[in-house]
Amino acid sequence: EVLLVQSGAEVKKPGESLRISCKTSGYSFTNYWIVWVRQMPGKGLECMGIIYPGDSDTRYSPAFQGQVTISADKSISTAYLQWRSLKASDTAMYFCARHLSEPGPADWGQGTLVTVSS
Amino acid sequence: DIQMTQSPSSLSASIGDRVTITCRASQSISNYLNWYQQKPGKAPKLLIYAAFTLQSGVPSRFSGSGSGTDFTLTISSLQPEDFATYYCQQSYSPLWTFGQGTKVEIK
Repeated sequence: EVLLVQSGAEVKKPGESLRISCKTSGYSFTNYWIVWVRQMPGKGLECMGIIYPGDSDTRYSPAFQGQVTISADKSISTAYLQWRSLKASDTAMYFCARHLSEPGPADWGQGTLVTVSS
Repeated sequence: DIQMTQSPSSLSASIGDRVTITCRASQSISNYLNWYQQKPGKAPKLLIYAAFTLQSGVPSRFSGSGSGTDFTLTISSLQPEDFATYYCQQSYSPLWTFGQGTKVEIK
């Protein structure tokens, strides 16, 4: 069974750093893109960026370039989404998902709620 | 980037109504098109993948069609539990893009 298990909810202050995780199992981690998706309160779904753990090829959607860092640790089949300095506008639910190269049902994590408030 | 244009952004319908939501891609995406349903406070739920394949456990009143650039999600007879927001999403590129969502409300 393919599983993507995300780290728990976070409450942070503006300016703080944060790294959230997406631990995968049940498939070959290095052979599939991992996608990070943001959903701000009451808003739609936005793809932030992707990483191919096999060679660490990382790409960002234009709106997120320079705002976050996506990384992966092959040794523990885990992908990460990181902020150096959080803003209140980073308050959102964040999902990771596994991209399939053929049309098919993607697997998603359960989501991590990040709240940034002073 | 592949842009996804979904319409309408919202609609009001009654129980038993037939509902149609459309999604257009800015370039051909073959059948790499998925439909999700989302209720407040919940993760998106996959309804249809590969444009027309019903995800296991999803009621048969949901159906999808289309290929290339134009796609449709149809709910044949709207049920109370179907009031939610629906999103299309392309997976032709691993840099996914989503439609802006269609909120289905009770008339």
